[in-house]
Amino acid sequence: DAKTTQPTSMDCAEGRAANLPCNHSTISGNEYVYWYRQIHSQGPQYIIHGLKNNETNEMASLIITEDRKSSTLILPHATLRDTAVYYCIVRVNTGGFKTIFGAGTRLFVKA
Amino acid sequence: NAGVTQTPKFQVLKTGQSMTLQCAQDMNHEYMSWYRQDPGMGLRLIHYSVGAGITDQGEVPNGYNVSRSTTEDFPLRLLSAAPSQTSVYFCASSPLSPETQYFGPGTRLLVL
Repeated sequence: DAKTTQPTSMDCAEGRAANLPCNHSTISGNEYVYWYRQIHSQGPQYIIHGLKNNETNEMASLIITEDRKSSTLILPHATLRDTAVYYCIVRVNTGGFKTIFGAGTRLFVKA
Repeated sequence: NAGVTQTPKFQVLKTGQSMTLQCAQDMNHEYMSWYRQDPGMGLRLIHYSVGAGITDQGEVPNGYNVSRSTTEDFPLRLLSAAPSQTSVYFCASSPLSPETQYFGPGTRLLVL
């Protein structure tokens, strides 16, 4: 599975959009981009995933560059409860895979 | 559905003791895995399983054993606990071609 690079930490004002970048320059053609987050000491929570096209759900939007070497997770209106560690993961979407988490980005949403 | 459950929530062990961390899921997921998370660090994969009777090693398997006799259960065994195994342990499950992994609430283990 490809390796990802994320900033260690970021700040965001409450109510503003939070844009979290992820670099995955060695991504393969069959690897998906997944985002999870971990709030305090809870288990990680799935947010969104995509292959080539931009994706949106009730939690966030995922923007993947045309060359697929980087992506951005967008939380459109960040709240204090979005303060968490956000993990960007790339992996194939077939059986037998193993999901490897990196260090992630610690997002602080400030009032 | 209860989702992914883990027991115990917290455990204190002495060096050299053995114990089993329990993980169960009621979603009929084929894939299950164990992670450990040290303070201020990301998750590291210990072992994983793609179905009953099939297990494989992750990034940090040393000191841990697993077995998968049923689809529902995936216990993690520490044969001889060491202080370096003090950590929070998370179990996760998903279908084999998942859109998401579901994580349990974690087991906090302290080895003295």
